Amino acid sequence: NAGVTQTPKFRVLKTGQSMTLLCAQDMNHEYMYWYRQDPGMGLRLIHYSVGEGTTAKGEVPDGYNVSRLKKQNFLLGLESAAPSQTSVYFCASSYSTRGGPDTQYFGPGTRLTVL
Amino acid sequence: GQQLNQSPQSMFIQEGEDVSMNCTSSSIFNTWLWYKQDPGEGPVLLIALYKAGELTSNGRLTAQFGITRKDSFLNISASIPSDVGIYFCAPSSGDKIIFGKGTRLHILP
Repeated sequence: NAGVTQTPKFRVLKTGQSMTLLCAQDMNHEYMYWYRQDPGMGLRLIHYSVGEGTTAKGEVPDGYNVSRLKKQNFLLGLESAAPSQTSVYFCASSYSTRGGPDTQYFGPGTRLTVL
Repeated sequence: GQQLNQSPQSMFIQEGEDVSMNCTSSSIFNTWLWYKQDPGEGPVLLIALYKAGELTSNGRLTAQFGITRKDSFLNISASIPSDVGIYFCAPSSGDKIIFGKGTRLHILP
């Protein structure tokens, strides 16, 4: 099992450019998440999905869109990048137990810089 | 929104010392997870707690789910150099898991 993989690992964008971050998991997990991590802020939830075809907003969703067309993939899009979106982005997936998410497995992260 | 306070923000300790950190919230949670993050890596699960009052150990790590379901602590005994990193509490209820701001552990030589 590859676990959770993220593409790309690094990216530099200019303000106003768009891009898509790809997250893939091979563990057949129902839940998938996108977080951003900034110094001193911990991980903040951007969007999440509880299953194929579903998405929901997290704590900091503005400026981002997501799609979950296939169960194994969760895409994070930035339509018009801004310097405030410079961050490290982590994807995670989890199985469902007790009616909710259980242990999350994290990808290695994508370091994005917006100039 | 849900308030989650993790303390301390950072700790400087000598190798061999015990460590204690905690998270408190104004909200009730069904699950408390504790993660560790090494530099340049994603967080990795250390301990999962599912019941109020539950006390669970994983080697030198011990964590407890508070009786009120609003708090949890993590203890590390006899710290070693590889314990360096950032520790996060991550409680959940419903579909979302939220993360504390982390406790950065430094071990002095």
